[in-house]
Amino acid sequence: DSGVTQTPKHLITATGQRVTLRCSPRSGDLSVYWYQQSLDQGLQFLIQYYNGEERAKGNILERFSAQQFPDLHSELNLSSLELGDSALYFCASSVSGGTNYEQYFGPGTRLTVT
Amino acid sequence: DAKTTQPNSMESNEEEPVHLPCNHSTISGTDYIHWYRQLPSQGPEYVIHGLTSNVNNRMASLAIAEDRKSSTLILHRATLRDAAVYYCILSRGSSNTGKLIFGQGTTLQVKP
Repeated sequence: DSGVTQTPKHLITATGQRVTLRCSPRSGDLSVYWYQQSLDQGLQFLIQYYNGEERAKGNILERFSAQQFPDLHSELNLSSLELGDSALYFCASSVSGGTNYEQYFGPGTRLTVT
Repeated sequence: DAKTTQPNSMESNEEEPVHLPCNHSTISGTDYIHWYRQLPSQGPEYVIHGLTSNVNNRMASLAIAEDRKSSTLILHRATLRDAAVYYCILSRGSSNTGKLIFGQGTTLQVKP
């Protein structure tokens, strides 16, 4: 158990809908990362927050947005869903926002868009 | 970010050491070398990371070549539970972000 929790575990929804994925980081960790894993693209970095502020952005679509709240939990919002958004979404946390710190990954949320 | 090259797959026998290679010929002086692994149906898991010197922890050892253009992850005694995809990732030490750029990794099979 990494100490990172993600809800829900599974989500099935229709095209055009909007969903929210939630992540609680390990106790004491200030940074949260979101990654997407699909069969054709592999594991891709989406976005990073550090202590409530956006720190880095990757290949995140404009239809996707995220935020980190004062209690440090984070939410990833996916809207106007398309079939290609079906994937595993992982959240990770680390104690700080820089490069020399290990990241702890949650179990992921499996999103299926039908 | 500098690129890494890993073999697509490797096989090992249970209870034998495993050496997983990674080439990173364009590494810069401040790049950290990270190793993560992903067991089937799980999220990635941190294994080890280092900058210049060899590193050891309870999971593995990281051997870094003197010119830093390659590194090797060493599992001292492979178990069936070590069957996973192993990712070698570089990150710029001067950067203020710890984002990880994953490649295809090496799929390790462990035979009983």
